[in-house]
Amino acid sequence: AQTVTQSQPEMSVQEAETVTLSCTYDTSESDYYLFWYKQPPSRQMILVIRQEAYKQQNATENRFSVNFQKAAKSFSLKISDSQLGDAAMYFCAYRSINAGGTSYGKLTFGQGTILTVHP
Amino acid sequence: DTGVSQNPRHKITKRGQNVTFRCDPISEHNRLYWYRQTLGQGPEFLTYFQNEAQLEKSRLLSDRFSAERPKGSFSTLEIQRTEQGDSAMYLCASSFPPGQSYGYTFGSGTRLTVV
Repeated sequence: AQTVTQSQPEMSVQEAETVTLSCTYDTSESDYYLFWYKQPPSRQMILVIRQEAYKQQNATENRFSVNFQKAAKSFSLKISDSQLGDAAMYFCAYRSINAGGTSYGKLTFGQGTILTVHP
Repeated sequence: DTGVSQNPRHKITKRGQNVTFRCDPISEHNRLYWYRQTLGQGPEFLTYFQNEAQLEKSRLLSDRFSAERPKGSFSTLEIQRTEQGDSAMYLCASSFPPGQSYGYTFGSGTRLTVV
């Protein structure tokens, strides 16, 4: 079974600065998706960025980028020019694309990192 | 389409009572998932449907839990004889099949408090 670990329960950053959230995962599969989700307080979870494991290029979405290290099974999220609206709980998640795999279609989440942005 | 809708948003119940939650997915999505999220933790998979068929249930889903998705549209999650340990946020999400799309759309969740 796949596992996802986020070792930073809480992180903080000054507005306009850069912060990196860490995530490691364990899998025996070669093809999969990795995601970062944002969950603001009392609001629904939204997708921040995704990475396909077969792509070597790191995904980027505006101020959000990832550092995907497949061999190390590491998937960190970098938020540049942090804004007050970035404050939320961030979850790293894994999704198998192997139709025969036990995680096919399901998301396996890490424990989450609470990000605080200071003005 | 207004996204994934969950009702009620909050539910407080006494231990031993039965509760039912409803999820209305995005109409084009044939997959529907239920997750449970306890305070400060990541969501944990409970069960999922493809159309009306329930394809997988987690070991977290005890006999007191039952989920249905009649006609492949909305879904209900019922918890019988609630216990304090059932207190959590229950999240619903919908998607196309994994081969078609990677994306999930989550609802805002139903927060259950068992007193």
